[in-house]
Amino acid sequence: GENVEQHPSTLSVQEGDSAVIKCTYSDSASNYFPWYKQELGKRPQLIIDIRSNVGEKKDQRIAVTLNKTAKHFSLHITETQPEDSAVYFCAASIWNNDMRFGAGTRLTVKP
Amino acid sequence: NAGVTQTPKFRVLKTGQSMTLLCAQDMNHEYMYWYRQDPGMGLRLIHYSVGEGTTAKGEVPDGYNVSRLKKQNFLLGLESAAPSQTSVYFCATAPGTGVSGANVLTFGAGSRLTVL
Repeated sequence: GENVEQHPSTLSVQEGDSAVIKCTYSDSASNYFPWYKQELGKRPQLIIDIRSNVGEKKDQRIAVTLNKTAKHFSLHITETQPEDSAVYFCAASIWNNDMRFGAGTRLTVKP
Repeated sequence: NAGVTQTPKFRVLKTGQSMTLLCAQDMNHEYMYWYRQDPGMGLRLIHYSVGEGTTAKGEVPDGYNVSRLKKQNFLLGLESAAPSQTSVYFCATAPGTGVSGANVLTFGAGSRLTVL
């Protein structure tokens, strides 16, 4: 099955700085790559996703890039705010059949 | 419109006991999943279903069984609980292929299970 690795496991930035989280996947057939945010004690929620036919996608302060050749994708958060503090998970799947998650990155934004 | 509801929210078991976690959804989603979340290990897929009457193994299926007799319900069973199964369990659903937002997972609130 698919194997997703995520780095770093923890990330601390100053408010206003940018944060980058990177993931690699093993199965070249994977075609869907979402990112989920989980605040303390809450359920994960989708923040952005990208499909394999697109190289980059942006939504306000959040962007995701995908390099299919290298089998890696990244989450970029600009102008970070304290409310961005959470655990972020990347995931990969072939359509919906078997979605595998990375181990997560705990992002702390210091005011 | 409750979305995805998991019951129970908390449970303490003794080693060897059995129990069933229920995931119920009212969104008419085709796909349903059970994940477990452990510190430092992210979300690991236990079993999933791509439609009523179907189930498939995920990454960590051993020690668990599932059933999807009705489209809206996905049950996760532990026949003989072990301390290694202490975890937070999340159910998730997705609309399925051919639908707008087909791949987006909607998670339940989680069920915290402790096995002593």
